[in-house]
Amino acid sequence: DGGITQSPKYLFRKEGQNVTLSCEQNLNHDAMYWYRQDPGQGLRLIYYSQIVNDFQKGDIAEGYSVSREKKESFPLTVTSAQKNPTAFYLCASIPSSGRGHNEQFFGPGTRLTVL
Amino acid sequence: DAKTTQPTSMDCAEGRAANLPCNHSTISGNEYVYWYRQIHSQGPQYIIHGLKNNETNEMASLIITEDRKSSTLILPHATLRDTAVYYCIVRAYPWGRRSSDMRFGAGTRLTVKP
Repeated sequence: DGGITQSPKYLFRKEGQNVTLSCEQNLNHDAMYWYRQDPGQGLRLIYYSQIVNDFQKGDIAEGYSVSREKKESFPLTVTSAQKNPTAFYLCASIPSSGRGHNEQFFGPGTRLTVL
Repeated sequence: DAKTTQPTSMDCAEGRAANLPCNHSTISGNEYVYWYRQIHSQGPQYIIHGLKNNETNEMASLIITEDRKSSTLILPHATLRDTAVYYCIVRAYPWGRRSSDMRFGAGTRLTVKP
């Protein structure tokens, strides 16, 4: 079945360490997104990519980095510069930008806890 | 870009209709209304979208006022599994590169009670 996978479901890291969250989709979608969600809050956009080898900062990009070397993959690195990295991270994708009312598909999320 | 206002929380009795309101008074002509829901610790799930006509699918109905400044998502026969946070989002069509196109607010926490 097609879908978006994020791994791992739960991730623990020590403060000061960089950590990379995986997001893979086999839906042949062009655009991919990373969101952060804190308890009781909505989703905040970190980075998005409309096409391979191109990505744009969202509303809260500081302390994060991404790459989009393949259409299927959009990994997010949480760097030591991110002051409060403990959160629920969601990856999403849509078929293509600017065409049709394509719904956004979300992965199951990764819950990152920095100790 | 249009922003949305939703009540923080609502309760609904199992088997009854759940009516979730959303205010989007600054919506512009090329913006559609989308609804998603998020069950605890899962990714959000698309429910329905519309421009100005009422829409219905297997999950819900969407009623948009004539002036398009507000809308209501209706779950006709709520079940316990409908307990979730419901997000109302306005999005321009064709949607573009702006990060605001994908902005989710705090949503409404719907609790369906037995």
